[in-house]
Amino acid sequence: NAGVTQTPKFQVLKTGQSMTLQCAQDMNHNSMYWYRQDPGMGLRLIYYSASEGTTDKGEVPNGYNVSRLNKREFSLRLESAAPSQTSVYFCASSEVNGGWTEAFFGQGTRLTVV
Amino acid sequence: GIQVEQSPPDLILQEGANSTLRCNFSDSVNNLQWFHQNPWGQLINLFYIPSGTKQNGRLSATTVATERYSLLYISSSQTTDSGVYFCAVFSLKAAGNKLTFGGGTRVLVKP
Repeated sequence: NAGVTQTPKFQVLKTGQSMTLQCAQDMNHNSMYWYRQDPGMGLRLIYYSASEGTTDKGEVPNGYNVSRLNKREFSLRLESAAPSQTSVYFCASSEVNGGWTEAFFGQGTRLTVV
Repeated sequence: GIQVEQSPPDLILQEGANSTLRCNFSDSVNNLQWFHQNPWGQLINLFYIPSGTKQNGRLSATTVATERYSLLYISSSQTTDSGVYFCAVFSLKAAGNKLTFGGGTRVLVKP
């Protein structure tokens, strides 16, 4: 059981380049999330998708777009990367059904923008 | 939105020592999780504990939802316990369906 899988694990971009971070889960969860973690900090929510076909902004959405491709997959796109987007990105999934069930996280993508 | 504060921010332990980490939250929550982020950056689920007490080996956790806090106990600490421990809460009253994270407690266990 793979859980939540993110690709790539590492990426270096030049300022202005674009890229898409991929995330897939095999737990049949409805809700998926993208977080970023800056050095020495906790995690902050970028975007989330409560269910297939819906997406909503989190705390720090500027500079990002997302696509909920199907129930399994949720991608995060940086259209024009900036050094301020250097961070570790985590994808997560859970089931929210009147309450909340346990959230599971991928291994993270370490992104450096130079 | 809901605020989550963890204490202490840093903790240095001698191998074999016991410790308690605390998580305070500013409003009622529906659920709470504890995570361990290991030195490689991986987030490992420790406990899903909206209320009550749970134990898993040398780790245990207690959440007192009515008083808005949770405690994580580490007994007989080992060097592999090093890393950052995060508390995260979910509240149906908060905007958006999300886990809100505390700032973490950085733990270093010395041999």
